[in-house]
Amino acid sequence: KAGVTQTPRYLIKTRGQQVTLSCSPISGHRSVSWYQQTPGQGLQFLFEYFSETQRNKGNFPGRFSGRQFSNSRSEMNVSTLELGDSALYLCASSLVEGAYNEQFFGPGTRLTVL
Amino acid sequence: SQQGEEDPQALSIQEGENATMNCSYKTSINNLQWYRQNSGRGLVHLILIRSNEREKHSGRLRVTLDTSKKSSSLLITASRAADTASYFCATAVQGAQKLVFGQGTRLTINP
Repeated sequence: KAGVTQTPRYLIKTRGQQVTLSCSPISGHRSVSWYQQTPGQGLQFLFEYFSETQRNKGNFPGRFSGRQFSNSRSEMNVSTLELGDSALYLCASSLVEGAYNEQFFGPGTRLTVL
Repeated sequence: SQQGEEDPQALSIQEGENATMNCSYKTSINNLQWYRQNSGRGLVHLILIRSNEREKHSGRLRVTLDTSKKSSSLLITASRAADTASYFCATAVQGAQKLVFGQGTRLTINP
């Protein structure tokens, strides 16, 4: 089975712009979770989607949003980018609902905000 | 503060030696997981131990869980250069449908 894929792998944006990141889970996995990783804050949970519905959300402002499509692919959107949004954004998929189950991670999208 | 905190933050050993990393957490958990991350890449799941389990093995990995002390340890035996990576513990907090990651231990295996 192919692993979790994320596109793009690298992205450079300027403050105020918006960005959309994409994640394709492992075939058959219906849960997709998103994480932000920074040197200062570490790995932080953004949200989880299961069956096209957001099931859980972390402590991030409303500028961070996501969605899931009927084929379980997911997108994450960040609007009005700030310098502090520079991070590695990781997507993870799981066979069952619940971001506390074993997670299979993609390679990440490295976002740089200038 | 973090739910899961790893100790030490960095560890450097010689190839062939054993490496032990510890994780402490604050609240009751459903399970605790260990992940490995190679420099700026995605995380790889290593092992999951449930709250009613005390020890688990997978190849050269041994994980223990002490819920009374709210702590876990990851032992890597006979280390190899390829084990060089950051190791994270992640706790599935009871009542919270998510994993909370610690800050990680940076492990360096010297040839």
